Amino acid sequence: QSALTQPRSVSGSPGQSVTISCTGTSSDVGGYSYVSWYQQHPGNTPKLMIYDVSKRPSGVPDRFSGSKSGNTASLTISGLQAEDEADYYCCSYAGSLYVFGTGTKVTVL
Amino acid sequence: EVQLVESGGGLVKPGESLRLSCAASGLSISNAWMTWVRQAPGKGLEFVGRIKSKSDGGTADYAAPVKGSFSISRDDSKNTLYLQMNSLKTEDTAVYYCTTVTSGRFNYWGQGTLVTVSS
Repeated sequence: QSALTQPRSVSGSPGQSVTISCTGTSSDVGGYSYVSWYQQHPGNTPKLMIYDVSKRPSGVPDRFSGSKSGNTASLTISGLQAEDEADYYCCSYAGSLYVFGTGTKVTVL
Repeated sequence: EVQLVESGGGLVKPGESLRLSCAASGLSISNAWMTWVRQAPGKGLEFVGRIKSKSDGGTADYAAPVKGSFSISRDDSKNTLYLQMNSLKTEDTAVYYCTTVTSGRFNYWGQGTLVTVSS
């Protein structure tokens, strides 16, 4: 199972929106609605931000949203804030196993 | 408050074995599906393996890079998850996290334990 493909980095100014793509195949992203996203600040444990493609756990700001089209999932951060600067990973169920994305560094300019 | 605490990491030589533990508190793991996820230094997250709850069969599945050398087990009476790692290679060097997994989401994570494989 190959890692899902994410852009290495994206950036935006405070208040702007950024979108991170996560491209897989019909055996993972395209085949299931179990896509999740994780935020990881340096030295910290990953934190669940989105699950089941577009659902937010309680406590996650509504400026984080998820979607999926075909074999590509996306995470959008609207109204970018300084604390959103972190690494982001997508993850998909792949039929008894899971596969993570390559990771994207979000920089707030 | 749910806590997962990993232990057992350390420095080992290539070819050696190591067993990691993950002690849970604030939840009973008996009904939980559990996973191990690792992160090599400066790299991304990598799924290692998952074990189902005993009521769902208790079977484990593994990612290709560790299949045949790593083994996940659980002791629900001790509320503890294990990862037995045999024939370790330098590329197994990573922080190892245990997590709960529910319907495709990794909701609770431990703080991780570092395993370094080096001669």
